[in-house]
Amino acid sequence: EDQVTQSPEALRLQEGESSSLNCSYTVSGLRGLFWYRQDPGKGPEFLFTLYSAGEEKEKERLKATLTKKESFLHITAPKPEDSATYLCAVQAGFTGGGNKLTFGTGTQLKVEL
Amino acid sequence: ETGVTQSPTHLIKTRGQQVTLRCSSQSGHNTVSWYQQALGQGPQFIFQYYREEENGRGNFPPRFSGLQFPNYSSELNVNALELDDSALYLCASSPTGGRQETQYFGPGTRLLVL
Repeated sequence: EDQVTQSPEALRLQEGESSSLNCSYTVSGLRGLFWYRQDPGKGPEFLFTLYSAGEEKEKERLKATLTKKESFLHITAPKPEDSATYLCAVQAGFTGGGNKLTFGTGTQLKVEL
Repeated sequence: ETGVTQSPTHLIKTRGQQVTLRCSSQSGHNTVSWYQQALGQGPQFIFQYYREEENGRGNFPPRFSGLQFPNYSSELNVNALELDDSALYLCASSPTGGRQETQYFGPGTRLLVL
């Protein structure tokens, strides 16, 4: 069974204090790893897709990296507007067809002034 | 380009009732997936529809059922509601349902079962 574990569960940073969020996974044949941002009471907002080990993607203050066992979401000089829950999801060799996502429980990030 | 929309935004039901949630996929997308997100948890896959056919199902009982229409909009129906069905129900669409495709989520419907 596919599993995704995110750590830490919650993270509090001061504005400008860089850090990393971790997503470790166990899947049967990784097709893609996805990062989403979710604000309270809203749907997840797509950030990145990574397909193979060694791949990196950047967007503003965020950078996502992928190894064969885990992914990191690096946040450089965060601002209060980066406060949200960050969700990691994997898409595996789903024999039932389609593109089912298996999610972790998320990291709740709070950035303070 | 119109994103994924869902209705209603909030809903309150009592145990044993039935509910229908609706989703309109993003323009140009023919695949819709439904997820259930309990408070403090990640979304859990319920099922997916591709060109009006169910194309994969998660570990949810048969009282969770769905439909997809020719315009690719979709419904999620839940019968015999239980207290544990209280959650945020998310709809996501993707262009063709192919592997490695990104899924784009709607704002969700918050269901409370009393």
